[in-house]
Amino acid sequence: GAGVSQTPSNKVTEKGKYVELRCDPISGHTALYWYRQSLGQGPEFLIYFQGTGAADDSGLPNDRFFAVRPEGSVSTLKIQRTERGDSAVYLCASSSLAGGSVDEQFFGPGTRLTVL
Amino acid sequence: KQEVTQIPAALSVPEGENLVLNCSFTDSAIYNLQWFRQDPGKGLTSLLLIQSSQREQTSGRLNASLDKSSGRSTLYIAASQPGDSATYLCALVGGATNKLIFGTGTLLAVQP
Repeated sequence: GAGVSQTPSNKVTEKGKYVELRCDPISGHTALYWYRQSLGQGPEFLIYFQGTGAADDSGLPNDRFFAVRPEGSVSTLKIQRTERGDSAVYLCASSSLAGGSVDEQFFGPGTRLTVL
Repeated sequence: KQEVTQIPAALSVPEGENLVLNCSFTDSAIYNLQWFRQDPGKGLTSLLLIQSSQREQTSGRLNASLDKSSGRSTLYIAASQPGDSATYLCALVGGATNKLIFGTGTLLAVQP
């Protein structure tokens, strides 16, 4: 595709509910990243996929957060038992290289999650 | 632990002025540094990427420099325009997994 796309663009849910956020990376990009951005802050890393596997999930805040990328393309970020503190913009990025110093990440427009 | 700081947090300038945005980091062992632009309610647009072996990168009216030894990067914007108004974020890669570590951003307003 032309760029990274994310759906939905906005999600409003109630405390305790389960949500899924979807990311479609740029076609052919092997690396996929999830970040979370709270109001007035820079994005914070959540998880990184290389192909189908999670190469680094050190940024996931707790076990309510989980992400998958079963076919090495689309990824879904899943949040169980949502809390008000989960409200943020969730950003997805992809890149074309397996690693190294030149690995430019391209970001999607984000999903704004609001937990009431 | 790597920490990234951006100063100032907000900046307002008249149209046409040249300006410099600052980014500092605590650990000089980085692979690359990227500058992004973020418009309100939007995602991030990559502006410039500087590899660790490079000192600077230029794109149009933008010039980014990197001094690893002092832990600093600057983004220079020449002849600023109202359309440059946005939040500017610097981010760096310091580990094998290529995760980006972001600063908190500088909110730039260019007054017509």
